[in-house]
Amino acid sequence: SQQGEEDPQALSIQEGENATMNCSYKTSINNLQWYRQNSGRGLVHLILIRSNEREKHSGRLRVTLDTSKKSSSLLITASRAADTASYFCAAYGNNRLAFGKGNQVVVIP
Amino acid sequence: DAGVIQSPRHEVTEMGQEVTLRCKPISGHNSLFWYRQTMMRGLELLIYFNNNVPIDDSGMPEDRFSAKMPNASFSTLKIQPSEPRDSAVYFCASSLWGEESPLHFGNGTRLTVT
Repeated sequence: SQQGEEDPQALSIQEGENATMNCSYKTSINNLQWYRQNSGRGLVHLILIRSNEREKHSGRLRVTLDTSKKSSSLLITASRAADTASYFCAAYGNNRLAFGKGNQVVVIP
Repeated sequence: DAGVIQSPRHEVTEMGQEVTLRCKPISGHNSLFWYRQTMMRGLELLIYFNNNVPIDDSGMPEDRFSAKMPNASFSTLKIQPSEPRDSAVYFCASSLWGEESPLHFGNGTRLTVT
């Protein structure tokens, strides 16, 4: 079964720096979704990239998808303290959505 | 749009008691999901409804767990009897159509079973 899996597991950066997270999956997908979870809250959908897309932007977020390597990356530019959260990728394929274990990002003011 | 509404936010109960978690999905969404989140196992899908019909309940741990969706605007997840290993955060999520479209999560119910 496919599994979204993020790398690195934890990231600590200074405010203003960029944060990059990677996600790998095992089988073919229809789309890949990224979510953010603030402490004590539910997951919030950030961006969805389809299997025929290579790059997508939303505000300070940039997502890339490389289906040949079965991987995706999420870039947060000019990070802010409010970006401190856990970030999850979720790979959708074969009628299943598989979440990774999450990637903790701490942005230091 | 009020988002997905879950209640209660916190539940503390003793082992053996019945627990009922409630969820109101976003109006117009056809799909509803119950997830459980723990540090050890991460986010696990328990059950998934489409148009109020259970589509996939393979993630329900055992017979102590049951879920219902009597109408498009309400769902419950029941644990009877509860056990300490059920302690977790339980999330309800809804989407326009299945897992292919973005999921909208509630803020969860933190369940503690002593």
